Amino acid sequence: ETGVTQTPRHLVMGMTNKKSLKCEQHLGHNAMYWYKQSAKKPLELMFVYNFKEQTENNSVPSRFSPECPNSSHLFLHLHTLQPEDSALYLCASSQNTDTYNYGYTFGSGTRLTVV
Amino acid sequence: SQQGEEDPQALSIQEGENATMNCSYKTSINNLQWYRQNSGRGLVHLILIRSNEREKHSGRLRVTLDTSKKSSSLLITASRAADTASYFCATDRGYQKVTFGTGTKLQVIP
Repeated sequence: ETGVTQTPRHLVMGMTNKKSLKCEQHLGHNAMYWYKQSAKKPLELMFVYNFKEQTENNSVPSRFSPECPNSSHLFLHLHTLQPEDSALYLCASSQNTDTYNYGYTFGSGTRLTVV
Repeated sequence: SQQGEEDPQALSIQEGENATMNCSYKTSINNLQWYRQNSGRGLVHLILIRSNEREKHSGRLRVTLDTSKKSSSLLITASRAADTASYFCATDRGYQKVTFGTGTKLQVIP
């Protein structure tokens, strides 16, 4: 257990479904992230939240919608996904200054399959 | 090519041997981080080396950083079967600009 908990671990959804991924951290970190990991590609940063304010949206399609109600919880709402969205979705947290990242703590990920 | 590229893409060694992985990057950085990922799991932070450091150790891990060549290496000594995983470098360019490479897949054969 890393201190960052993601649920569910596995998710199979149809293209017309709506589902949500959940991430929770109790490390007192001030930043949380969503990453997408597809086979043979580098990790893709999707969203960044600092002190629960979104500071980066890395050109992610609107079918992915993040929510950060407080500095410990992060959600990724999914709707009308495509099969190419199938991937491992990783949540991470970190303690940062404005200019310096001290390293990420990752959750175990949600393996998403879109059918 | 990506900021933070690992080399080789895959490495297979016998248990007890040393494993060396390299990372090259393009722009100046604040620090460089190495992570391990077991199959289908999240990444685990191994070590962070600052731009003004040249070498760092943690247990069986040794990381070097050469900012003039924009490269880093991760050495795992006396490898074990449990070290089998993918290893990623991540470059921190400041202001939340952290970029991961595609990783080196290490297999340690018992």
